[in-house]
Amino acid sequence: EAGVTQFPSHSVIEKGQTVTLRCDPISGHDNLYWYRRVMGKEIKFLLHFVKESKQDESGMPNNRFLAERTGGTYSTLKVQPAELEDSGVYFCASSHPPRWTRSGETQYFGPGTRLLVL
Amino acid sequence: SQKIEQNSEALNIQEGKTATLTCNYTNYSPAYLQWYRQDPGRGPVFLLLIRENEKEKRKERLKVTFDTTLKQSLFHITASQPADSATYLCALDASNAGNMLTFGGGTRLMVKP
Repeated sequence: EAGVTQFPSHSVIEKGQTVTLRCDPISGHDNLYWYRRVMGKEIKFLLHFVKESKQDESGMPNNRFLAERTGGTYSTLKVQPAELEDSGVYFCASSHPPRWTRSGETQYFGPGTRLLVL
Repeated sequence: SQKIEQNSEALNIQEGKTATLTCNYTNYSPAYLQWYRQDPGRGPVFLLLIRENEKEKRKERLKVTFDTTLKQSLFHITASQPADSATYLCALDASNAGNMLTFGGGTRLMVKP
């Protein structure tokens, strides 16, 4: 089975530009998560999709970030306009629906997109 | 707010010894706790999940304990090998509503031959 894939693997852009990150989850996984790790910090949650619906976007830093998951398959995360503090590694993860809330499930992570804003 | 602490200093051990990594948390009572492994340039890889009503979980050379009174989890790798060298991340469920994770900063393990 193919794992979670992310594109691009690296992106270097200038402040003020727009960047779109893509995540293809494992086929059949309804849950899709975006996380981010900025330099020297821990991995932090950004948002969670269940199929095409945003379940929780409490981790999104501000309105410069827009995530979509049209059709409940792949997801995109757009940063517009990018700022220096947006630099970091953006991870996508997917999982099957848990049997019950807070039962916990294995989240499968992609390799990440390394974003550098200059 | 929730806080997860892992030893930020690298742990260096000799091949064949048992590695023990610590995860402490405050201001929360998680329903479960997970351990992930991360290699340079890669995403985290799930290793083990332990629920609040479980004291210990094992998988091959790995063992995880969960003490909800101490608010601590210990992660053990027995008979460690150089291939076990990586960063190990502790993660808790972050809310009462969903399954998103809150991660610790990770501990880097170096196993020397």
